[in-house]
Amino acid sequence: DAGVTQTPRHEVAEKGQTIILKCEPVSGHNDLFWYRQTKIQGLELLSYFRSKSLMEDGGAFKDRFKAEMLNSSFSTLKIQPTEPKDSAVYLCASSFGGNYAEQFFGPGTRLTVL
Amino acid sequence: DAKTTQPDSMESTEGETVHLPCSHATISGNEYIYWYRQVPLQGPEYVTHGLQQNTTNSMAFLAIASDRKSSTLILPHVSLRDAAVYHCILMNQGGSAKLIFGEGTKLTVSS
Repeated sequence: DAGVTQTPRHEVAEKGQTIILKCEPVSGHNDLFWYRQTKIQGLELLSYFRSKSLMEDGGAFKDRFKAEMLNSSFSTLKIQPTEPKDSAVYLCASSFGGNYAEQFFGPGTRLTVL
Repeated sequence: DAKTTQPDSMESTEGETVHLPCSHATISGNEYIYWYRQVPLQGPEYVTHGLQQNTTNSMAFLAIASDRKSSTLILPHVSLRDAAVYHCILMNQGGSAKLIFGEGTKLTVSS
């Protein structure tokens, strides 16, 4: 089975641009997570979906970050407008519903905002 | 979630069995012990989890103290591919789904 797929693997954006990151969860998984990871802040939750419904968001990330699950096998994370402080690795994870703590991660998208 | 304490780093040699300790003195009765690991430039990877009984899978053996205040992740016959940062976290399966990692233990494996 394919694991979690994320595209692109690398993204460079100018300040103020809009970028869209994509994620395909493991087939059959009901839960999908978006995280941001930096050395300073560590792993931060951006959004959590269960069966396409938003269950939890990162609070502080509501302003410019919007995650959507268009269907059970595809999700996007839009950052609009980007700022240099958004430079980080964005990780998508999925889990089979009912045992959500076993999360399977994608390779991440490394975003650099100039 | 309750806090865990892990050593900053450990060193090992290929073929050795490695014991990674984790202290969780304030663990509550409904909290599970989860282990993830992460290598540079990759997402975290689930390793194992347990509640009270020792558990084993293809990756590792998890030994949980009888009072549940500590646990040890045992990696048999480590290889270079096992070099990673190992995170021990507590999860309440009725609580928030988000993972919160501490600094973890950086395991170095030499040939």
